[in-house]
Amino acid sequence: DTEVTQTPKHLVMGMTNKKSLKCEQHMGHRAMYWYKQKAKKPPELMFVYSYEKLSINESVPSRFSPECPNSSLLNLHLHALQPEDSALYLCASSHGRQGGSTGELFFGEGSRLTVL
Amino acid sequence: AQSVTQLDSQVPVFEEAPVELRCNYSSSVSVYLFWYVQYPNQGLQLLLKYLSGSTLVKGINGFEAEFNKSQTSFHLRKPSVHISDTAEYFCAVRVNTGNQFYFGTGTSLTVIP
Repeated sequence: DTEVTQTPKHLVMGMTNKKSLKCEQHMGHRAMYWYKQKAKKPPELMFVYSYEKLSINESVPSRFSPECPNSSLLNLHLHALQPEDSALYLCASSHGRQGGSTGELFFGEGSRLTVL
Repeated sequence: AQSVTQLDSQVPVFEEAPVELRCNYSSSVSVYLFWYVQYPNQGLQLLLKYLSGSTLVKGINGFEAEFNKSQTSFHLRKPSVHISDTAEYFCAVRVNTGNQFYFGTGTSLTVIP
């Protein structure tokens, strides 16, 4: 199983809503990532979890709140978002610093978020 | 600090012609190198990677890339492109002691019938 599964695929929310994006992988990876991607742009790193601990936070606004309940799951909680937060949110995983040798990122298909 | 440069933002090419997408990086330490492809409304898919060993690496869909340490380059090539190769291509670098990946700005490849 070499998949990263993201739900939902599409999400429309108002600026006062609270919603969550979910990501799951069963490859035994110990590093998990959230990226934000605007059209025709590269992915922008938001957060990295390594061994279920937040290791990188790229100065993301507090209206985005990550959570890593266990080694297979990664959530991104959304609250009071702005229209400019509309984007494709990508989850990815990799073996992580202390394990594995392949080194690449495995991406999910993304969650397309629209903030009205 | 690491950085990745993809000089060509858009590359149009006729079907069955060869193509090269350029990628240069800067890093003071050893790196792993990757090429990803992204089709519309999808996530990124790994095309190929260089970790160590032979500098010529072959990937999926007939793509290959050559790691050139002296020129700090990792250019992607395909001898004959197909319409289905139309997509966005991203070069990425990972420092081999860390978890962070650095992406180039991407090259939009358009294959013209």
